[in-house]
Amino acid sequence: EVQLVESGGGLVQPGGSLRLSCAASGFTFSTYTMNWVRQAPGKGLEWVSYIDSSSSTIYYADSVKGRFTISRDNAKNSLFLQMNSLRAEDTAVYYCARVGVMVQYDYWGQGTLVTVSS
Amino acid sequence: SYELTQPLSVSVALGQTARITCGGYNIGSKNVHWYQQKPGQAPVLVIYRDSNRPSGIPERLSGSNSGNTATLTISRAQAGDEADYYCQVWDSSTGYVVFGGGTKLTVL
Repeated sequence: EVQLVESGGGLVQPGGSLRLSCAASGFTFSTYTMNWVRQAPGKGLEWVSYIDSSSSTIYYADSVKGRFTISRDNAKNSLFLQMNSLRAEDTAVYYCARVGVMVQYDYWGQGTLVTVSS
Repeated sequence: SYELTQPLSVSVALGQTARITCGGYNIGSKNVHWYQQKPGQAPVLVIYRDSNRPSGIPERLSGSNSGNTATLTISRAQAGDEADYYCQVWDSSTGYVVFGGGTKLTVL
């Protein structure tokens, strides 16, 4: 059974940093592209970042470029999102998602809440 | 940047057919995927590559894509279909993933 479990969310002050993790199991993690997607309270889904299986191709949404860094450790079946210079508008539930061959999200984690507030 | 437009809300009578549209420039040339999200839950993929259903998704849900509009059709709507629905594409020219704004489906 495919499982994606996010962790690392919490309350952080504006300008602070946070590192999210996503532990994957039930599939060969090293062969899949992975993404982060977020959802602000009461709002729609927003794509955040993309990393391919070998970490050779990485993309960021304009809203996080230069502040967030996506990475992965295939030996540990883990995906990460380092978030720096956090802003109030970064407040959201952050989901990690497995990417299928048509760039569809076939599995999602349960999400982790990040709240940026003083 | 590429944009996808969805109606904010769609209502359907119990047992009738609901259609949720997703508009985008020449969207017919892209692979469109659809997600269902119920309150407090993660999204679930219900349609991929325009019209394909993942295992476990009922045949009542179907999709189509042509020209500037993709459509998710829910036949014989049930109370359990009440949810937010999002369309999504991948813009290969930028590498960006794009979501529509989401549509709230209400079953009356």
